[in-house]
Amino acid sequence: GIQVEQSPPDLILQEGANSTLRCNFSDSVNNLQWFHQNPWGQLINLFYIPSGTKQNGRLSATTVATERYSLLYISSSQTTDSGVYFCAVERSSANAGKSTFGDGTTLTVKP
Amino acid sequence: DTAVSQTPKYLVTQMGNDKSIKCEQNLGHDTMYWYKQDSKKFLKIMFSYNNKELIINETVPNRFSPKSPDKAHLNLHINSLELGDSAVYFCASSHFNYGYTFGSGTRLTVV
Repeated sequence: GIQVEQSPPDLILQEGANSTLRCNFSDSVNNLQWFHQNPWGQLINLFYIPSGTKQNGRLSATTVATERYSLLYISSSQTTDSGVYFCAVERSSANAGKSTFGDGTTLTVKP
Repeated sequence: DTAVSQTPKYLVTQMGNDKSIKCEQNLGHDTMYWYKQDSKKFLKIMFSYNNKELIINETVPNRFSPKSPDKAHLNLHINSLELGDSAVYFCASSHFNYGYTFGSGTRLTVV
């Protein structure tokens, strides 16, 4: 099956700092999503981004499908950004409904 | 107003028991999923239904049986619970070309 690698595995930031999280995948994909799991366990969809760039407030994401990676940018980080960030990919329409998740990046933002 | 709701939120039960988790979505999405998150936070697809039809059935023990009475509901029944079944189970839904919306999860503890 498709391999999804996220880096770094852990990241500690001071409030106000910027960061970039990376997601590499081993095969061409039909769709790609970024999620944030907050410290209470809730999984929130941040971006649906099979290709291109999207922005939502302090967060933005870029997927370069031809080079098989996606980046999530967090600017001016806040303590509420803490949690685990997951990338999930779906390989093709033949695998519709089967997203493979990476192992996540655990982000801690200190006040 | 909850988009994807799961019940119960917590479930503590003894080995060998049978239990069910219910999931309902009011988003009008066509596809629903069950994901399992283990103690190391790895998220893995278990089942996926599209318009009440099973489309993904990963290598999950036969003790797990999903049921979708209509496209707004996807329930998960587990027979003869084992210690290794302890995990957080997430229900999610999606519509074509849109990202997933997750429920808040059911933390199952088998003792």
